[in-house]
Amino acid sequence: DQQVKQNSPSLSVQEGRISILNCDYTNSMFDYFLWYKKYPAEGPTFLISISSIKDKNEDGRFTVFLNKSAKHLSLHIVPSQPGDSAVYFCAASASGYMRFGAGTRLTVKP
Amino acid sequence: GAGVSQSPRYKVAKRGQDVALRCDPISGHVSLFWYQQALGQGPEFLTYFQNEAQLDKSGLPSDRFFAERPEGSVSTLKIQRTQQEDSAVYLCASSSRLAGNTGELFFGEGSRLTVL
Repeated sequence: DQQVKQNSPSLSVQEGRISILNCDYTNSMFDYFLWYKKYPAEGPTFLISISSIKDKNEDGRFTVFLNKSAKHLSLHIVPSQPGDSAVYFCAASASGYMRFGAGTRLTVKP
Repeated sequence: GAGVSQSPRYKVAKRGQDVALRCDPISGHVSLFWYQQALGQGPEFLTYFQNEAQLDKSGLPSDRFFAERPEGSVSTLKIQRTQQEDSAVYLCASSSRLAGNTGELFFGEGSRLTVL
C-alpha cells in the first residue's frame, strides 16, 4: 500500500539551476510532511518539514510547498549545488508514524 | 555517542541462520523505530518502541521477526531462520518526541543484511 509516492526515480540538473522534487500522497490523515536526504552508506538525515496548516516553508536554499487539495508536495532547491547530489525521500506522518516514498536520486552536474 | 549507532554495519547470513541487529539510540530519546529498506525502495515501518514498551509491531513481516528494548535504550532486532527476501538495509531511528507528536527522526547508518 503505497501511501507516499515519488514517481521520478531520478533527476539530473545543472549546477546553479533549480531542482524540483515531487511527492504525492493518498492518505488525507497525514498532517506533517518531511524531506530526508541520504548519501550512500549513510542513514537518511532530516532536511526540511512542513505542517499541514501551512502551504510553504523555506530554509535557505530549500523550500517545501504543500498543496493539500492535490495531496502533493514538492521540494525546491535553488540554486542547486553538486553537494546536493543524493537520494531524497519524502515522508508523511499521521499520529507520528512516518511513511516514506521510494526516493528520487538527484544528480547536480557541475 | 552523539548519533544513532547500529551494528553490525554489514551482515552476511546463510539461509536459515538467525541474526541479531543492534541499535543504540541517541541518549534520552524515548521513541525508537525500526525500518526495513529494500533495494530501490524507501524505508518501510517495522516496529515502534516508547521507552521499553513495544507499542506497535504491525510492520513486522512475519513471526520470524522479533524486536526488544528491555531497558528503554538499546534495541535489538532479531530475525530467525533468515530467508533471501529478508535481505535489506535495516534502519533504526530515534526521536525525543513520542509518536503522535510531530518531529524529525534521527537515523542510524543502517545494517545491511544479505542472506545467501
